[in-house]
Amino acid sequence: QKEVEQDPGPLSVPEGAIVSLNCTYSNSAFQYFMWYRQYSRKGPELLMYTYSSGNKEDGRFTAQVDKSSKYISLFIRDSQPSDSATYLCAITNAGGTSYGKLTFGQGTILTVHP
Amino acid sequence: ETGVTQSPTHLIKTRGQQVTLRCSSQSGHNTVSWYQQALGQGPQFIFQYYREEENGRGNFPPRFSGLQFPNYSSELNVNALELDDSALYLCASTQTGAETQYFGPGTRLLVL
Repeated sequence: QKEVEQDPGPLSVPEGAIVSLNCTYSNSAFQYFMWYRQYSRKGPELLMYTYSSGNKEDGRFTAQVDKSSKYISLFIRDSQPSDSATYLCAITNAGGTSYGKLTFGQGTILTVHP
Repeated sequence: ETGVTQSPTHLIKTRGQQVTLRCSSQSGHNTVSWYQQALGQGPQFIFQYYREEENGRGNFPPRFSGLQFPNYSSELNVNALELDDSALYLCASTQTGAETQYFGPGTRLLVL
């Protein structure tokens, strides 16, 4: 069993739709949860970062963490064609110098068509 | 732009050869991590360097090695290349206590 499982998609949605991206994880020691966006031929860029159960909102993006179910989600409201990219969940079990040891899901390719 | 650069952008090698990939981080970023991203997969952690010392390694054999230099640059070396080493290699840097790490654009390695 992989430590982090991500719904691979791909997802294709019309502009303006609400998008839901999901990951599950197996290790309860994981404490920090991130979502990255990766455009083609680019490195991942951090979208959202959270370390507690509940919701965190940033503009059109909402990250949701349920530690009891070991389940994390990213919601994108009013999706735009510029949101078309690969979305990666990433999890780590510590901060500080351990922060860089991220365990990633396999990524979900999202296409938003006009 | 993240301020993290990698070179070269693309590289073609043959099986059995050796390769060195380079990363230049932002000033003050004392931690650098390297990841391997196979096509259609998420990045896999190779190892991390903190203040020029290895600070953790993922499930990669010893033929993957690295160096970190005082000028915030680092290297990933891979010996005895195998076909499965074909991937995008990413470096990511951060500073102690930061909530953000910054990825470079990656080096795409093809092993024939």
